[in-house]
Amino acid sequence: NAGVMQNPRHLVRRRGQEARLRCSPMKGHSHVYWYRQLPEEGLKFMVYLQKENIIDESGMPKERFSAEFPKEGPSILRIQQVVRGDSAAYFCASSPGLTRGLGTDTQYFGPGTRLTVL
Amino acid sequence: DQQVKQNSPSLSVQEGRISILNCDYTNSMFDYFLWYKKYPAEGPTFLISISSIKDKNEDGRFTVFLNKSAKHLSLHIVPSQPGDSAVYFCAASAVNNNDMRFGAGTRLTVKP
Repeated sequence: NAGVMQNPRHLVRRRGQEARLRCSPMKGHSHVYWYRQLPEEGLKFMVYLQKENIIDESGMPKERFSAEFPKEGPSILRIQQVVRGDSAAYFCASSPGLTRGLGTDTQYFGPGTRLTVL
Repeated sequence: DQQVKQNSPSLSVQEGRISILNCDYTNSMFDYFLWYKKYPAEGPTFLISISSIKDKNEDGRFTVFLNKSAKHLSLHIVPSQPGDSAVYFCAASAVNNNDMRFGAGTRLTVKP
């Protein structure tokens, strides 16, 4: 019963390059969330996706960042033209998407991808 | 916007004693609250949750208390163990809204 998988665990990019972070949710989970943790800060919500749909991207920077969760395959967080300020740990979480009244919809986190921009 | 606040960045407790971690929130629409534990270089691990229809939820050594009128919740760990040393995040979400808001975390150190 694999948990949430993220890869790569560590990613080093030079300024201006693109970063692609992958997240495979837990089996049976159809909801994916991306969070960013800057050094010495808490987790900041970025985006919430269901299969082929972005539900809430209110936490995503307006430029350079995009996310997708295709019908097949992992969810991808893509950062174009990375800058030093993008260096952070990026966590993906998944949940089964139960209706709250029928039970909890707890999010389970992956191990994170640590992005370093040189 | 800091809708969920953990005002104590760190807490140090002696093994065997009670650890109390606090969390305040500002959004009255939040109805579901969770605590996560995080070790270095790992993702947060779900610990315990509480829905707004309750004021207490207990799971082994961990108890979460919710005071809706004060918009305050706390996590009690008793007895504390050295393996509990980690960063604890409080999180909250609103009805019909799956995205969560996290506090900045409290680093708990349990000394043997």
